[in-house]
Amino acid sequence: DTVLTQSPALAVSPGERVSISCRASEGVNSYMHWYQQKPGQQPKLLIYKASNLASGVPARFSGSGSGTDFTLTIDPVEADDTATYFCQQSWNDPTFGGGTKLELK
Amino acid sequence: QVKLQQSGAELVKPGASVKLSCKTSGYTFSTSYMSWFKQIPGQSIEWIGMIYAGDGGTGYNQKFKGKATLTVDTSSSTAYMDLSSLTTEDSAVYFCAMDGSDWFAYWGQGTLVTVSS
Repeated sequence: DTVLTQSPALAVSPGERVSISCRASEGVNSYMHWYQQKPGQQPKLLIYKASNLASGVPARFSGSGSGTDFTLTIDPVEADDTATYFCQQSWNDPTFGGGTKLELK
Repeated sequence: QVKLQQSGAELVKPGASVKLSCKTSGYTFSTSYMSWFKQIPGQSIEWIGMIYAGDGGTGYNQKFKGKATLTVDTSSSTAYMDLSSLTTEDSAVYFCAMDGSDWFAYWGQGTLVTVSS
């Protein structure tokens, strides 16, 4: 299985820029996607194929990377962005990262 | 608009089976793929497997072979997942999601399965 590694938690102040990283155990080309999940809700697609903004997602969210290293950036962060963010690869059978919990100071 | 409506929470005894449903609307179910996922609250998400509604063809995560069985009913645009020989380790929230390409843009709201005697 392709293992995706994310930092477990981040804390930022509203209005700041935050970057959430995801490292794959093997190259996944650009087949990396990002989701936001709030407690008690289903995941919501934010970014697909590394850098494409999903429909209806604010332009404050952006994605970059290829191969093994990927980044989700939120700029500027808003209070409503408090959530856990997961990366997911589809180069092989789908796997997800452990999630990064974003908290606001 | 695309909607995936999952069945309600289940409380089941160890050793039993449970069948979860995911009723869809707003798109052409019969030519679509559906994936299922497991998430223990506070933990990451695991892909269980996928099914093509067109012919019922399936693909499973090796970890869930023998545990999960995916089926569809195209007449009602509903996908199902049977979970068998349940143990406490199967207690989790299970999601269905439309497998549009390589990412999952549409998700059900999740079904909580609790395995307890």
